[in-house]
Amino acid sequence: GAGVSQSPRYKVAKRGQDVALRCDPISGHVSLFWYQQALGQGPEFLTYFQNEAQLDKSGLPSDRFFAERPEGSVSTLKIQRTQQEDSAVYLCASSLAWGQLSNQPQHFGDGTRLSIL
Amino acid sequence: AQTVTQSQPEMSVQEAETVTLSCTYDTSESDYYLFWYKQPPSRQMILVIRQEAYKQQNATENRFSVNFQKAAKSFSLKISDSQLGDAAMYFCAYRRTTGNMLTFGGGTRLMVKP
Repeated sequence: GAGVSQSPRYKVAKRGQDVALRCDPISGHVSLFWYQQALGQGPEFLTYFQNEAQLDKSGLPSDRFFAERPEGSVSTLKIQRTQQEDSAVYLCASSLAWGQLSNQPQHFGDGTRLSIL
Repeated sequence: AQTVTQSQPEMSVQEAETVTLSCTYDTSESDYYLFWYKQPPSRQMILVIRQEAYKQQNATENRFSVNFQKAAKSFSLKISDSQLGDAAMYFCAYRRTTGNMLTFGGGTRLMVKP
């Protein structure tokens, strides 16, 4: 597609349920990022993939958060045993390359707004 | 660790006038990138302008320009001839040259009055 696509746009879950958020990056983009944006705050980095390899997961807040990108394109962010503090907008971004071409901008999707009741 | 600070939670500007949004950052790196992103209610982060730290010349993109003061670690955004469509949250962001993740500030909500 023309841009980064995220689904669902809204997700409501009860505390303790597992959720899965999907990101479809721009075709051909090597790098993929997940960010968490709490209400009224700036996005915070969660994890980064280069193709299918998860090179940085330092921002994942707990072991309940898990991300994968098995074929180097679509990525899924999974949150197990959700808690109220997981309520946030989850943004996905992709970029063409990294390293020597790291001035390539990150292109963001519209995000998934997750509400935990 | 790098930090980015936006000290203005909200700003207001009259349509057609000029407004400046402030951003300061802290880093021990000598080379890096700085960005301004716009986030309308649709939630999509849209890149407005970017600056490479090794370039002394301030970046400009049509009505948007920056005032990059490397020694002061300051990176402000000037919007000229403000339009109603400029109303949004604006985020300043930092990235190391050899890094990948963006570090964002807390954002400034810009309101444009007709």
